[in-house]
Amino acid sequence: ELKVEQNPLFLSMQEGKNYTIYCNYSTTSDRLYWYRQDPGKSLESLFVLLSNGAVKQEGRLMASLDTKARLSTLHITAAVHDLSATYFCAGVNRDDKIIFGKGTRLHILP
Amino acid sequence: EAGVVQSPRYKIIEKKQPVAFWCNPISGHNTLYWYRQNLGQGPELLIRYENEEAVDDSQLPKDRFSAERLKGVDSTLKIQPAELGDSAVYLCASAGNTEAFFGQGTRLTVV
Repeated sequence: ELKVEQNPLFLSMQEGKNYTIYCNYSTTSDRLYWYRQDPGKSLESLFVLLSNGAVKQEGRLMASLDTKARLSTLHITAAVHDLSATYFCAGVNRDDKIIFGKGTRLHILP
Repeated sequence: EAGVVQSPRYKIIEKKQPVAFWCNPISGHNTLYWYRQNLGQGPELLIRYENEEAVDDSQLPKDRFSAERLKGVDSTLKIQPAELGDSAVYLCASAGNTEAFFGQGTRLTVV
């Protein structure tokens, strides 16, 4: 059964700094999702990574996928307060079940 | 294009009462998911549909939960009777080829 682990689970950082959230998964995953969730809101799709070496960027966020290491990263460049949210990664097992990590609660201090 | 629509947004019921949630997926999406999200946790899958067929309901507590997706479009998730531990946000998602989109969710409070 696919298991998805994120770290760190909590992250408090200063504006302007760079940081990376890590997402490890236990077995083969056809694709890897990153979602953002603001308090009391639903999940907003950020990235879908489909193949080894895939890299996608949107603004200050960049996601990458290494299927051999079973690792995806979400890199934040020059963080701003508006990026404060909880970020989830999710893998997909062979039965098309989307399995989520526990989320990384990101708090960016002004 | 309209996204995934869920209703109601909020529901407060007494324990042992029934409750139902409704989901309208994105047009053309054959795959529909129901997830439950407890406070501070990631979403956990309850059931997945491919068109009108429930292809994965292994995580659905079948003694009190039921779901249906008539005609392979809208879906309803029902709890009867509700328990205090069912308080959570119930999320519906639909997927096309690769990307899954989530609705706003229904926040259920059982008192």
